[in-house]
Amino acid sequence: DAKTTQPTSMDCAEGRAANLPCNHSTISGNEYVYWYRQIHSQGPQYIIHGLKNNETNEMASLIITEDRKSSTLILPHATLRDTAVYYCIVRPWGAGNTPLVFGKGTRLSVIA
Amino acid sequence: EAEVAQSPRYKITEKSQAVAFWCDPISGHATLYWYRQILGQGPELLVQFQDESVVDDSQLPKDRFSAERLKGVDSTLKIQPAELGDSAMYLCASSFEGGTSTDTQYFGPGTRLTVL
Repeated sequence: DAKTTQPTSMDCAEGRAANLPCNHSTISGNEYVYWYRQIHSQGPQYIIHGLKNNETNEMASLIITEDRKSSTLILPHATLRDTAVYYCIVRPWGAGNTPLVFGKGTRLSVIA
Repeated sequence: EAEVAQSPRYKITEKSQAVAFWCDPISGHATLYWYRQILGQGPELLVQFQDESVVDDSQLPKDRFSAERLKGVDSTLKIQPAELGDSAMYLCASSFEGGTSTDTQYFGPGTRLTVL
């Protein structure tokens, strides 16, 4: 079972920041937080991951709380092409490659 | 940018027929995964390969599903016979290596299977 909890859906106005929350209150010390998204009828796309420090790349920023029990994915200037299902996943590090355990994710709708 | 290739993109078949899906991972990626995604749900692992060896096939319905990666590169997933409940998206993903690291998985575009 997925170890994360996400809202079922969210709306965001185009051009505004989209802030997607994720609760992972049972996260272990060796588990990373990964974010993927899936645009309709496509395969999941990797966005970003982190352990305990905030991370930023060309797609998004990841803010992880100090106690690591929750995180927020931030899309700074959402566009219509960011409409997708966003998955927050916790995954252990140091035990070899492990499969991703997906929940139902958050369906983000970016509105013009 | 290197990508995971899958074919076909769409497949329609009748129940009791055999179907096969092909995946070519990113070059150099030793770990290959097959996931199944039912409409409205997240992907679920069917089988994981490390090179040519199966690492985890505990969720693969072995009475009708088979998977192989003979030379440790591309992979085939087969269903025989197909059932109505097999209608889903079949996704292939790959990552660089196992060992003590945890590498990012990259997904292909998927094969959408419809069983009539």
